[in-house]
This record gives sequence, C-alpha cells and structure tokens, in this order.
Amino acid sequence: ETGVTQTPRHLVMGMTNKKSLKCEQHLGHNAMYWYKQSAKKPLELMFVYNFKEQTENNSVPSRFSPECPNSSHLFLHLHTLQPEDSALYLCASSQEGGGGSDEQYFGPGTRLTVT
Amino acid sequence: GQNIDQPTEMTATEGAIVQINCTYQTSGFNGLFWYQQHAGEAPTFLSYNVLDGLEEKGRFSSFLSRSKGYSYLLLKELQMKDSASYLCAVRDSNYQLIWGAGTKLIIKP
Repeated sequence: ETGVTQTPRHLVMGMTNKKSLKCEQHLGHNAMYWYKQSAKKPLELMFVYNFKEQTENNSVPSRFSPECPNSSHLFLHLHTLQPEDSALYLCASSQEGGGGSDEQYFGPGTRLTVT
Repeated sequence: GQNIDQPTEMTATEGAIVQINCTYQTSGFNGLFWYQQHAGEAPTFLSYNVLDGLEEKGRFSSFLSRSKGYSYLLLKELQMKDSASYLCAVRDSNYQLIWGAGTKLIIKP
C-alpha cells in the first residue's frame, strides 16, 4: 500500500449504530487530519493530530470521537449520528503539521450515509 | 470571519486556457494552496504560493497577490482529464488551512 488509505470506502449506518472509520498513511508523516466534505461546501477540518497528540478540535460534536494510536493510524469512532452527518470523510497526512509548504496528502475518503 | 471565494462552476473548451480565481480574507497569511479533486477521488496537491508572483509548473501556473488577497490558477492546453474541482486553501496566522468550496471545471470537446 502506498499513500493514504481509508476503510471502508462506503458506509451506511442507522442513527443508533456505532461504527469506526480507519485511516492509514504509508508516508512516514507526523501529522494526520480528519475532514468533513459536504456537497458545495468548503472542507471542514475536524481534528488534527501531531506526533500522536491532538492539537485541534474544531468544535466537533462528541458523537465523533478520534483516536490516534500511532503516527501512521487514525480512527474516527461514530455513534448516535444524525442524518446531517452524511458526507464524505477525508483523512489526510502531512510531514510537519503546520508550517510552510507542508502539503497535505489525502486518502480517497469514506462516503457516509446516516439513515 | 475568514472567507475564501471561488466561482462555483466554470466551463472551458479542450485545448483552450482557463483561469480560476480565488479571493481571500483571513486572519494572517502563511501561504496559499491549490488542490485538484476528481469526482469521487482524493484531493491532490497542485501548487503552493507564499510570495507574490507567478509559479509555473508545466501546463498549470498559480499567481498570488498578497496585497489584493487574490490568487488564480491558470490551466493551459486543456485536456478532458482536467475536468475536476479545484480547491483553493489559505494557511492563516494559526497555521490552519482555510478552504474554499471549490470550482467545478467542465471541459467540453
């Protein structure tokens, strides 16, 4: 595997379910990110981890719970979601986590539908 | 508040040139990025500008004017595969990326 991978690619869940999204980066980066992408809206940054430590939590509801066990893996645990949480969830990684031309590399995303 | 503005959609002809504009109002500036995102795929990095002027990379060029809060992405010799969304993002004073909603570019034969 190369780059940033995400599983599953598609997920349909009911509002009472619990599920987890997984992201893995094979680039040796130190920072990882979760974004929410809704149609015709800007990417919304949800969480940032730098060297496994959470450095950003952009007022995300507690029904989304991130976990970063090491610099290569990132999870997003989901429970009691709402229909408006249906979106594309993108994971990204970067070398440094903030400075200069530190470009982010994105995974293909998980298309989440909440019914 | 912080804001990034881009046109929602543009149409251009194969072989032609197209310019996608981006204007921004952010708290501080630490660089501007352009990404390309094909439908159903991950965004991929195209360019980074931190100083005023034009950066050329093959068929793609990106321009920045910090005093005007303005950037554009110029695509030359358009190909059908250039049909995609183009995302503009600015790194603010907290080094956080602020994203535009993207410009969907449609290429016609």
